[in-house]
Amino acid sequence: DTEVTQTPKHLVMGMTNKKSLKCEQHMGHRAMYWYKQKAKKPPELMFVYSYEKLSINESVPSRFSPECPNSSLLNLHLHALQPEDSALYLCASSLPGPGLIGELFFGEGSRLTVL
Amino acid sequence: DQQVKQNSPSLSVQEGRISILNCDYTNSMFDYFLWYKKYPAEGPTFLISISSIKDKNEDGRFTVFLNKSAKHLSLHIVPSQPGDSAVYFCAASAQAPDMRFGAGTRLTVKP
Repeated sequence: DTEVTQTPKHLVMGMTNKKSLKCEQHMGHRAMYWYKQKAKKPPELMFVYSYEKLSINESVPSRFSPECPNSSLLNLHLHALQPEDSALYLCASSLPGPGLIGELFFGEGSRLTVL
Repeated sequence: DQQVKQNSPSLSVQEGRISILNCDYTNSMFDYFLWYKKYPAEGPTFLISISSIKDKNEDGRFTVFLNKSAKHLSLHIVPSQPGDSAVYFCAASAQAPDMRFGAGTRLTVKP
């Protein structure tokens, strides 16, 4: 199994809604990532979990709340979002832990639209 | 502050010819560089990487060159095939697990 699975693929929500994006991998990877990508822009790093601990938080607004319940799962909880938060949210994982770099395996992304 | 830059948003080449995609970076601490390929409606997939201790890495039709003094890397695809048409992202890392991406270059290979 070399897949990173993201659900839902598409999400439309109002500014007062609470929703969650989910990501799952069963490759034994110990680093998991959330990236945000807007049209014609590079993926922007939001959060990184390494061994289920939050290791990088790129000054993301608190309306985005990550959670890593175990080594296979990564969630992104969304609350009181703004229309400018509409984007493709990409989850990725990589094999090594701290101090090592490896290729990222990406999911297909969750396309979020905030009305 | 975009630390990884791909200044050509698009590139078109004829099938069988060489495709050269370029990437510049500003952070001299980057020591690991990767190229990803992205088809529509799919997540990026890893293509090839290079460590800063090397200046070239080759994998089949794909070769990545690294010029540390110029803070520049390039991806060569030869011969180019129509199936190579995709968006190519350059990425760089200074410290695991942080990884930064360029904006991407859309490659179109014409039959």
